[in-house]
Amino acid sequence: DQQVKQNSPSLSVQEGRISILNCDYTNSMFDYFLWYKKYPAEGPTFLISISSIKDKNEDGRFTVFLNKSAKHLSLHIVPSQPGDSAVYFCAAIFSSGSARQLTFGSGTQLTVLP
Amino acid sequence: EAQVTQNPRYLITVTGKKLTVTCSQNMNHEYMSWYRQDPGLGLRQIYYSMNVEVTDKGDVPEGYKVSRKEKRNFPLILESPSPNQTSLYFCASSFGGPDSPLHFGNGTRLTVT
Repeated sequence: DQQVKQNSPSLSVQEGRISILNCDYTNSMFDYFLWYKKYPAEGPTFLISISSIKDKNEDGRFTVFLNKSAKHLSLHIVPSQPGDSAVYFCAAIFSSGSARQLTFGSGTQLTVLP
Repeated sequence: EAQVTQNPRYLITVTGKKLTVTCSQNMNHEYMSWYRQDPGLGLRQIYYSMNVEVTDKGDVPEGYKVSRKEKRNFPLILESPSPNQTSLYFCASSFGGPDSPLHFGNGTRLTVT
């Protein structure tokens, strides 16, 4: 059973508009969340993260929102650019004993149309 | 240049023939990990290592082995590959663990026939 779910496999957005990528999780023990971006034929690259003690974190055009009561995470990209077209993975971390366990979602393919 | 290097990029093999995928990082990172990416399943962790000689299972460790004899290297070993291990594999590293941004290699596309 997937603990981190990205229910939209794909999303298309017009250049200049807002892209909103969503992520839901089931494990209330997750205390840290990250977003990674992946271009074809490359490994994922880190984008932005948020601790469970916050509800928002911003970095330039990218903002991550966390709604703990709804167990929901979202990534906003404003304004969207064609170069943002990539697969976006959300990831969540919790402590299991002395270990930090990392779980990824299945990814959302974002296409930004010029 | 700071990087994680995986080799080979592409590998086609037959069932049962042992293989090793190498992973090396030049950033002096303590944490290293392996993932497989499959359609609809995203990235699933196979094994991780918090430091030299310290390794632990991820979500899908069956059929895989790892070793961490040196800080920079973290090879993935498939003793007897099977077709269900056909996948895209990524190695990653970070300074302090998965909370720190992971640096990924460019992936190894493995096909087991």
